[in-house]
Amino acid sequence: QLQLQESGPGLMKFSETLSLTCSVSGGSISRINYYWGWIRQPPGKGLEWIGTIDYRGNTNYNPSLKSRVTISVDTSKNQFSLKLSSVTAADTAVYYCARLSGYDLRARFDSWGQGTLVTVSS
Amino acid sequence: DIQMTQSPSTLSASVGDRVTITCRASQSISSWLAWYQQKPGKAPKLLIYRASSLESGVPSRFSGSGAGTEFTLTISSLQPDDFATYFCQQYDSYLYTFGQGTKLEMK
Repeated sequence: QLQLQESGPGLMKFSETLSLTCSVSGGSISRINYYWGWIRQPPGKGLEWIGTIDYRGNTNYNPSLKSRVTISVDTSKNQFSLKLSSVTAADTAVYYCARLSGYDLRARFDSWGQGTLVTVSS
Repeated sequence: DIQMTQSPSTLSASVGDRVTITCRASQSISSWLAWYQQKPGKAPKLLIYRASSLESGVPSRFSGSGAGTEFTLTISSLQPDDFATYFCQQYDSYLYTFGQGTKLEMK
């Protein structure tokens, strides 16, 4: 059974760069017709898609975050990662990694990590 | 971006009720719509994809319908485990967007 696990610091200061890693077990990150993504959820609010990557490293980002986001993949470690620069209080959220299933990026989020809370404070 | 609007924002219901949640897209998304259930402190769980396909392992009391811009999620007979928040998500565009959520609470 596929499992995803986020890891990274839970507390950050303004203007720092958030770095999270998603470790995938129970399946290969290199399979075609799967994509890998990050989603976040501010406390008490809805879900916001951050970006998506495939095993070849092709990425798509939310336009509202694109200037600050980098997603990368390490197939040798079966992991993918998120970097978000210049964080502010508005970036405080639970960050989820997830697998997407589908074709030509028409894909739904069918497997999720448990999520990790990142708090940004001065 | 394609905007997704859910209604109602909150729904009060009782065990055994039939409940329906609506999701509207700002433009046609064909049938590229998914529904998720989220419980407090937990990750969302995929229930329905391609507007009406039931994800493996999801009880058959959940069903989805619609195409174009209007979609519904129906729970035929509400069970205690179903009180949660539900989100729709479009994936017609790779700029994925979610509805704001519908909280299903006990009456």
